Amino acid sequence: GQQVMQIPQYQHVQEGEDFTTYCNSSTTLSNIQWYKQRPGGHPVFLIQLVKSGEVKKQKRLTFQFGEAKKNSSLHITATQTTDVGTYFCAEEGGNQFYFGTGTSLTVIP
Amino acid sequence: GAVVSQHPSRVICKSGTSVKIECRSLDFQATTMFWYRQFPKQSLMLMATSNEGSKATYEQGVEKDKFLINHASLTLSTLTVTSAHPEDSSFYICSAKGTANQPQHFGDGTRLSIL
Repeated sequence: GQQVMQIPQYQHVQEGEDFTTYCNSSTTLSNIQWYKQRPGGHPVFLIQLVKSGEVKKQKRLTFQFGEAKKNSSLHITATQTTDVGTYFCAEEGGNQFYFGTGTSLTVIP
Repeated sequence: GAVVSQHPSRVICKSGTSVKIECRSLDFQATTMFWYRQFPKQSLMLMATSNEGSKATYEQGVEKDKFLINHASLTLSTLTVTSAHPEDSSFYICSAKGTANQPQHFGDGTRLSIL
């Protein structure tokens, strides 16, 4: 199945530093969703972006959908230890979902 | 919020055994359910998509005779791993969604270990 590329694969940051993960697709996306998976847990839905150039914020998290609807980013301001986990983007193609490769975030206290 | 229940959470069994995993949407009708497989430190790999009352659509490389999927009602889908072998050991996660453009809601996953 197809897969969406995410970079970086791993990121270690000091608590308080910012963090960004990028999601890139070779095709135009109808929408993109972001999920967070804590170690040992299941993915939890964070947000969905639909419109070209859309920007949405959830407290310290900022999500952006590219103008061409082929890429997206998630930015966390002033990371906290509770932000630890793997962040996945996911694209919907027809009736199927494909997850990005994920970015594993480690926050060093 | 929407709740998806997945059982069992953990299974340890001998090689050659068939294992059934259930996925239930508890407070909404799931027109579509998805089954994923996840190896340690890797992403979720879509195995199959199932719609209520119709045959599942399997991803390339997934053996439909080995991974039997049944979606008999709008609230229940099952995945049966037939004649499981050690290489089938993995974390299996289901998800469910209602209408189009709605997010998926995930079950807690099933950790399958084949000895």
